[in-house]
Amino acid sequence: GDSVTQMEGPVTLSEEAFLTINCTYTATGYPSLFWYVQYPGEGLQLLLKATKADDKGSNKGFEATYRKETTSFHLEKGSVQVSDSAVYFCALRGSIYNFNKFYFGSGTKLNVKP
Amino acid sequence: KAGVTQTPRYLIKTRGQQVTLSCSPISGHRSVSWYQQTPGQGLQFLFEYFSETQRNKGNFPGRFSGRQFSNSRSEMNVSTLELGDSALYLCASSFGASANTGELFFGEGSRLTVL
Repeated sequence: GDSVTQMEGPVTLSEEAFLTINCTYTATGYPSLFWYVQYPGEGLQLLLKATKADDKGSNKGFEATYRKETTSFHLEKGSVQVSDSAVYFCALRGSIYNFNKFYFGSGTKLNVKP
Repeated sequence: KAGVTQTPRYLIKTRGQQVTLSCSPISGHRSVSWYQQTPGQGLQFLFEYFSETQRNKGNFPGRFSGRQFSNSRSEMNVSTLELGDSALYLCASSFGASANTGELFFGEGSRLTVL
């Protein structure tokens, strides 16, 4: 069945460091891929998305490219800030053959130190 | 455009009691999903409702149930509460049509503590 695997955390970085959070997926058909972010005490917010292969989603300096050949959707940011400290979830929305179900990774906690 | 609204935000119950949580989706959204979030298990899918019908269901015991009303508002109920039911319960809405590639929009959650 469809699934998402993302790197375990926590990830601790200094401010202005480069960030990569790995995400790989297994899916039938052509899923849509998402990154969500959860700040302390809040619900999940959509960070970026990509709906087809080779699409690049971007928002707030974060980027991720939908790579069908490697079934990956890694999250990157060139220079993190303390305010980026949060939990990041990779997710996929399955195809119509799988009732468009959502699958979430386990989440990666990011701590950014000043 | 108002977001997804969940009530109550916080509640404390004792073992054996039951609880009902409410979710109002974004206007025009017909699909409502519920998730349980705990530190050890991450996000666990409970169920999804679309046009008052349960469309998908996760692997939770029958103590967890839900429903959706004609105005798309949804409630979930947990009966005979256990300590392990302490969690953040998140509701998410989406437009929900088939072949939809759109995202889920989450509420801020209802934090349930069972004593």
